[in-house]
Amino acid sequence: NAGVTQTPKFQVLKTGQSMTLQCAQDMNHNSMYWYRQDPGMGLRLIYYSASEGTTDKGEVPNGYNVSRLNKREFSLRLESAAPSQTSVYFCASKPTGLANYGYTFGSGTRLTVV
Amino acid sequence: GIQVEQSPPDLILQEGANSTLRCNFSDSVNNLQWFHQNPWGQLINLFYIPSGTKQNGRLSATTVATERYSLLYISSSQTTDSGVYFCAVPLGRGSTLGRLYFGRGTQLTVWP
Repeated sequence: NAGVTQTPKFQVLKTGQSMTLQCAQDMNHNSMYWYRQDPGMGLRLIYYSASEGTTDKGEVPNGYNVSRLNKREFSLRLESAAPSQTSVYFCASKPTGLANYGYTFGSGTRLTVV
Repeated sequence: GIQVEQSPPDLILQEGANSTLRCNFSDSVNNLQWFHQNPWGQLINLFYIPSGTKQNGRLSATTVATERYSLLYISSSQTTDSGVYFCAVPLGRGSTLGRLYFGRGTQLTVWP
């Protein structure tokens, strides 16, 4: 099925450990995004990639890095995990265009940092 | 930065009832979107509604950009409508970049 695939679905890390969240889309979308969702909050943008080869910071980039490996894949890396990074992480993609619609979200990665 | 407020924060309905969810935003925007997050966490893009009214089945949305609000109407609600409804507006300048700023959402529970 076409869509956005995130791995892993669940992860528990110890403080200070590192990990990479993977995201891949098969819809030939140019733009990809990483959001985090905390309890009772809306989604907040961490990083985005408007097109292959470009990445930029969003609202809450501190403690994260990203790589746009190719048009399909956009990974999010936590170099030294902190309890404040406990959250649900969503990857999304959309086609490029003047109108901001047509978003497809992955099913999320639930990360707990202890 | 822009502020987005959604009301009510929680809504409990009996199946078959109608409801209206509201989204107020502090600055002028050139687009607004509504999303539904189901109880399993999956997010679905419901409407792209920069102005005017759109309908999709039992759901419709209206945005009055000049007065900085949008409404999402759910008619004849069903248990499958349960979840969180978010509105989102462009984050920062350069709306073609697709960055979104989300409100905190309205948690809807529909009982059979």
